[in-house]
Amino acid sequence: GAVVSQHPSWVICKSGTSVKIECRSLDFQATTMFWYRQFPKQSLMLMATSNEGSKATYEQGVEKDKFLINHASLTLSTLTVTSAHPEDSSFYICSASPGLAREDTQYFGPGTRLTVL
Amino acid sequence: AQSVTQLGSHVSVSEGALVLLRCNYSSSVPPYLFWYVQYPNQGLQLLLKYTSAATLVKGINGFEAEFKKSETSFHLTKPSAHMSDAAEYFCAAGGTSYGKLTFGQGTILTVHP
Repeated sequence: GAVVSQHPSWVICKSGTSVKIECRSLDFQATTMFWYRQFPKQSLMLMATSNEGSKATYEQGVEKDKFLINHASLTLSTLTVTSAHPEDSSFYICSASPGLAREDTQYFGPGTRLTVL
Repeated sequence: AQSVTQLGSHVSVSEGALVLLRCNYSSSVPPYLFWYVQYPNQGLQLLLKYTSAATLVKGINGFEAEFKKSETSFHLTKPSAHMSDAAEYFCAAGGTSYGKLTFGQGTILTVHP
């Protein structure tokens, strides 16, 4: 089956620093990747849609200058949380879709737990 | 815009009992529907998906779900609960089988011995 990895699996940082999270599709090419955020005891909320080689599309209310997304290749997307603050502490989950090539579903990564002190 | 509602944030059953997790969607066009399971501190695992091919969808681990357009529902069932089924379950809807998803609030399933 299709595998999506995320790195790191957890990170603790100081307030004001930036953190980069990687999402990789290991055995397929992902034309589209999605970034979700999950606060404790809450559901997943879509943050942005990332297409390879183009700018990400952000959902309403998500600050694009704070959550920088880069989708430089068909197997890698990165989410950078800039100037992180404690309220950014959350579980960040990416998913990758092979898109029309396989008309298949999307596959989720294991998530990254971010704690901002 | 789509919305997904899961009735009951917590469901508790005895081992061997029927599992029923409820999901209703709101959409002018029947969407693609999914059920995912999430274990603590892990990502999501797809249980099953509805893509209009059949209204009764069978998934992994003995789960199945029935799409009912008249009720705008996609409830998840399993005839006999197992201790390993204890987890959080999310219903989700999307415009395609591979596009962005709208998730329900999640239902935590507890299985008692």
